[in-house]
Amino acid sequence: DAMVIQNPRYQVTQFGKPVTLSCSQTLNHNVMYWYQQKSSQAPKLLFHYYDKDFNNEADTPDNFQSRRPNTSFCFLDIRSPGLGDAAMYLCATSSGGGAFYGYTFGSGTRLTVV
Amino acid sequence: AQSVTQPDIHITVSEGASLELRCNYSYGATPYLFWYVQSPGQGLQLLLKYFSGDTLVQGIKGFEAEFKRSQSSFNLRKPSVHWSDAAEYFCAVGDTGGGNKLTFGTGTQLKVEL
Repeated sequence: DAMVIQNPRYQVTQFGKPVTLSCSQTLNHNVMYWYQQKSSQAPKLLFHYYDKDFNNEADTPDNFQSRRPNTSFCFLDIRSPGLGDAAMYLCATSSGGGAFYGYTFGSGTRLTVV
Repeated sequence: AQSVTQPDIHITVSEGASLELRCNYSYGATPYLFWYVQSPGQGLQLLLKYFSGDTLVQGIKGFEAEFKRSQSSFNLRKPSVHWSDAAEYFCAVGDTGGGNKLTFGTGTQLKVEL
């Protein structure tokens, strides 16, 4: 089945140690999104790629970066994780009309910072 | 800017009872509206979506939602709740002018009593 896969499901990192979260998709969607979701809060968009074009949200901290080497893969890099970055990170894809058709989400990566 | 309000943070219903989850949106044009469900530790799954036309939308798992423009609402309903419906439910509005993004509400946590 076509799907969005996030690895790992659970990630523990040390305060200040760089960490990378991975997302891959078999849907051949041209748009990939990264959301941060803290407990009991709405998912918050960090950035998205439309093909190779990177679109950063205005309030996304510089500590968060992203790479998309090809259509199938997208990475979220946190350069110096703080305790406040502990959250669920959700990757989602759309065919370009996300606002019309919605997104397909992965199962998320739960990040713990110790 | 668009926004979504889900006024109920937690709702508890008995198994077999009917369910209605409230969602109010703010959007300047014709809204594209979505309901997603998130089981513990999982990503978000699309339940249903509204584009235009019939204001009563059918989704998966026996859910339906009704769009009421006059009330700026898109409430989710189910006639008879099953214990497996316990999850968090998110309403979202699509922003076609802002990069095809979805803006989510803060969610409603549904508990089902047996």
